[in-house]
Amino acid sequence: KAGVTQTPRYLIKTRGQQVTLSCSPISGHRSVSWYQQTPGQGLQFLFEYFSETQRNKGNFPGRFSGRQFSNSRSEMNVSTLELGDSALYLCASSLDPAGRETQYFGPGTRLLVL
Amino acid sequence: GNSVTQMEGPVTLSEEAFLTINCTYTATGYPSLFWYVQYPGEGLQLLLKATKADDKGSNKGFEATYRKETTSFHLEKGSVQVSDSAVYFCALSASNYQLIWGAGTKLIIKP
Repeated sequence: KAGVTQTPRYLIKTRGQQVTLSCSPISGHRSVSWYQQTPGQGLQFLFEYFSETQRNKGNFPGRFSGRQFSNSRSEMNVSTLELGDSALYLCASSLDPAGRETQYFGPGTRLLVL
Repeated sequence: GNSVTQMEGPVTLSEEAFLTINCTYTATGYPSLFWYVQYPGEGLQLLLKATKADDKGSNKGFEATYRKETTSFHLEKGSVQVSDSAVYFCALSASNYQLIWGAGTKLIIKP
């Protein structure tokens, strides 16, 4: 069974631009979560989707948004990029609709904002 | 609120040494507890988990026991290898669809 895939793996943008990251979950998984990982802040939760509905959102500004499609694939978008948005963005999928079971992670998209 | 505290690193050990990485948590209700590992340049991999008190998770020689009385989930391994060098994250999952993470502990194993 294929794992979680994320595209692109690496991205370089400049301040003020916007970016869209994509995540394909493990087949059959309907829950998709996004996390930001930085050396200073560690791992921080961005949002979680299940069956195209956002069920929880972390403490990030409105520039960060996401969505999930009917095939469970998910995208996140960051508008008006800032230098501090440089990070590894990780996507995870889970089988459990209650949100308490194992999350399986993709390799991440490394975003560098110049 | 929910939180996870794990020992700061880096932790440096010689090959075949005994490993303990401490993890304590604060949570309402009965969370599930996880240890994830991140190798350099890679994403996060589940190492082991426990879903209720007194459960012991184990994988690849690593073990951790869910201790509700001490709110702890310490990671242990009897004999570490150079290939165990990585960053280890303790995490909990409550009922709000997110993982709460510890800060991560970098483990360095010297041959």
